[in-house]
Parts: sequence; C-alpha cells; structure tokens
Amino acid sequence: RKEVEQDPGPFNVPEGATVAFNCTYSNSASQSFFWYRQDCRKEPKLLMSVYSSGNEDGRFTAQLNRASQYISLLIRDSKLSDSATYLCVVPEDTGRRALTFGSGTRLQVQP
Amino acid sequence: DAGITQSPRYKITETGRQVTLMCHQTWSHSYMFWYRQDLGHGLRLIYYSAAADITDKGEVPDGYVVSRSKTENFPLTLESATRSQTSVYFCASTTDRYYGYTFGSGTRLTVV
Repeated sequence: RKEVEQDPGPFNVPEGATVAFNCTYSNSASQSFFWYRQDCRKEPKLLMSVYSSGNEDGRFTAQLNRASQYISLLIRDSKLSDSATYLCVVPEDTGRRALTFGSGTRLQVQP
Repeated sequence: DAGITQSPRYKITETGRQVTLMCHQTWSHSYMFWYRQDLGHGLRLIYYSAAADITDKGEVPDGYVVSRSKTENFPLTLESATRSQTSVYFCASTTDRYYGYTFGSGTRLTVV
C-alpha cells in the first residue's frame, strides 16, 4: 500500500459547487497532516494544516478520521480560481524527518 | 526579501555534464529538502538536511550529491547528468516537519 493515496481526478465541477477530496494514509502514528495547493507545476503552497479532528478556513474544511486513516478536503462555493492540483501530505513513516506527498487530485472549476 | 530562492529557474544541459542547483533560505530554518517532481510520480524526496553538515538520503538519491556547509544554503549537484534526471526540482525548508514546508519556486532542468 502506498503511504499516501489520492484519487487523481480530474474533478470537473461548475462554479458554486461543493467538492470533496479524500486521501488515505498508511502511517497510523501520524499526528499532523497537510493539504497543499499546486498550480500548473509551480511550487506547492500550504493550504491547510490538520492536527486534530479537523480544521476550517473560510470555504475550506479539512477533516481527519484516524480510525479509518483518511483525510478529506471540502471546498464549498467553488471559484474558478480554485482550479489547481491539491496534494495530501503526511509525515513519513521512517526515521527521516520528512513529509510524504500524495500524487495530487486535480480540480477544474468551470464557468 | 526573506524567503527561499532557487537558481537557476530554467536550465538545459547535456548528458554527462555536472550541474549544480542552488537553494538559499533566509529564515535560518534547520531542515532543508530537495524534491523532484515528474508526471506520474508526484514529489519524491532526493536528499534532506537536518542542520549544517548533516545530510541524508531520501527516496531517490542516486546520481545526486548535496552539501550544507552553511544553514542558509543547500546546493544539489548532479554529478553526471542523464536524461532521466530531466525534471522539476523543488527545494523546501522548515523549522519542523509538523509545521509543513515552504517551497522555493523550482528549477526546470532539461538534460539533452
């Protein structure tokens, strides 16, 4: 099983729609999780951090289910500018102090 | 300005040449990382560093060398470039991985 798995998409949604992405992880000891946003092969940028059951920031909500080892990202009222690839990120299950990135879920918001 | 910068932004080199990608951060972050990103593979860790003079291999270190004599710099060297090393390279830094990373803007390397 991959350390971090995401549905690659693409998710094509109309403006104003609500869309959710799921991510599963293998490291049951992970304590922190992240969602990054990446535009068109530019650098990934931190969108949200998740340290407990969840986090909310405006239209974005991240939820954590430790029992099932998955994280979700919910985007409400989608905007054209939300079109990007969303990367799920968890700490590595090794002695290295590094993060493991999922391959990303691509979102395309259409007018 | 404070931040993390990579140079060059774009590089074309020939097979067999040595190439060095530069990464500089102004926050005095302890941890620095080099990732490569290829279609179908996502971001893969090449090398990381926990502090000056402390480096370790990541997932795909073969063909790469790093050094970190100063906290702020973490150069990545391709000793003898191969076509399979054509990729986008990202440098990142953090005070602790539990806070996430900040990435540089990347170097697009093409090996011909």
